[in-house]
Amino acid sequence: ELKVEQNPLFLSMQEGKNYTIYCNYSTTSDRLYWYRQDPGKSLESLFVLLSNGAVKQEGRLMASLDTKARLSTLHITAAVHDLSATYFCAVTLAGNNRKLIWGLGTSLAVNP
Amino acid sequence: GAGVSQSPRYKVAKRGQDVALRCDPISGHVSLFWYQQALGQGPEFLTYFQNEAQLDKSGLPSDRFFAERPEGSVSTLKIQRTQQEDSAVYLCASSLLAGRDNEQFFGPGTRLTVL
Repeated sequence: ELKVEQNPLFLSMQEGKNYTIYCNYSTTSDRLYWYRQDPGKSLESLFVLLSNGAVKQEGRLMASLDTKARLSTLHITAAVHDLSATYFCAVTLAGNNRKLIWGLGTSLAVNP
Repeated sequence: GAGVSQSPRYKVAKRGQDVALRCDPISGHVSLFWYQQALGQGPEFLTYFQNEAQLDKSGLPSDRFFAERPEGSVSTLKIQRTQQEDSAVYLCASSLLAGRDNEQFFGPGTRLTVL
């Protein structure tokens, strides 16, 4: 059974600081996704990572994937208040690229 | 429309009532997904359609849950004899195809509260 674990689950950080959110998964996966969810809102796609060593960056967020370690990281650089949200990682099973299996999410609060 | 839409946005039902939740995917998207998101949790997969064919319903929690997409566009998730544990946000997502990127675009969700 594919399981996805994120840590930390809660993160409070100051503006201007850097931090990393980790996503581990238990079995071979075809691809990994990062989504953002604001309170009461739906899910917004941030990154899709398809292969070992993949790195993608958008603004202050950078995501990477190590398929051998079954680990993805979401790195936040010089955080700003607008990044406050819940961040989810999700993976698909190898050979089944339809069903997304989700982590519990990391609730990020960026304080002035 | 520009994105996935869902209706109603909020639904309050008395225990035992039947409910129907609607999803309008992005025009032209072949794949459609339903997820259930309990408070403070990540989404849980319910079911998946490719056009009108329901290819995976392994996540439906009981036979009280039924989904259809008869013309390969709009989909309805029906819950019969609702129970309190059915209270959650029901999310619909669509993607162009279950292809390489398989980026799923999510609707705003329907928040169901069962009293």
